[in-house]
Amino acid sequence: DADVTQTPRNRITKTGKRIMLECSQTKGHDRMYWYRQDPGLGLRLIYYSFDVKDINKGEISDGYSVSRQAQAKFSLSLESAIPNQTALYFCATSDGRDRGNTEAFFGQGTRLTVV
Amino acid sequence: EDQVTQSPEALRLQEGESSSLNCSYTVSGLRGLFWYRQDPGKGPEFLFTLYSAGEEKEKERLKATLTKKESFLHITAPKPEDSATYLCAVQAPLIYNQGGKLIFGQGTELSVKP
Repeated sequence: DADVTQTPRNRITKTGKRIMLECSQTKGHDRMYWYRQDPGLGLRLIYYSFDVKDINKGEISDGYSVSRQAQAKFSLSLESAIPNQTALYFCATSDGRDRGNTEAFFGQGTRLTVV
Repeated sequence: EDQVTQSPEALRLQEGESSSLNCSYTVSGLRGLFWYRQDPGKGPEFLFTLYSAGEEKEKERLKATLTKKESFLHITAPKPEDSATYLCAVQAPLIYNQGGKLIFGQGTELSVKP
C-alpha cells in the first residue's frame, strides 16, 4: 500500500458543485500539504498543516478549504467548483520532528475536471 | 520574492548522450534544495537534498550539485527509463509558519530515445 493515499484518483464534477478530495498517510508525519499542478506553472501550494490544530494558507488558497481530521488525514474541499480549478492535485507529507530540512512524500494525485 | 527557474523546459537526448539540467533560485536563506522525479500521472518521487554550496550527491546515473545561485542535475549515459519530468524545489526560510514549505520550479521534461 502507498504511504500517501489520495481519493478519488479521478473526478469530473460540474460547476458550482461542492467536492472533497481526501488524503491519508501511514508515514506518521506531522506535516501535510495540498498542492495543485498545472501545465507550465509547476506545483503551487494551496494549504498546509503542521499538526492537527494547525492550518495555514498557501499561495493559492482562494476557493479552497481544508480540514485536518487526524494526524493521518487531511482533506481539501472546493466549496463551489469552477472550471479554472481543473488541475492535478497532490497531497504531500513531511516529518515535523526535525524542523530543518526534510523531504516531502507525495501521493499519486487526483485529476479533477470541472465542467 | 522567492523564486525557482528550471531550464530547459524540455530536453531530448539519445541513449548514452550525457547532459545537465539547470535550476536557478533566489531565496532569502536557503534551507535546502530538493530534486524530484515525476513520471506521467504520478506524484513526484524524491531524489536528492542539497544543503550547502559545493555539495554533491549521486544516485545511479544522476548527480546533483549546488552553488549559491543554482543547482545542476547531471545525467550520465542516460537510458530510456530515465525519461521523466525532473522538478527542483527550494525550502522556505525556517520561520515556524514557513518551515517545510517547498517552492517548486516548472520542471524539465526529459526524453531519452533508444
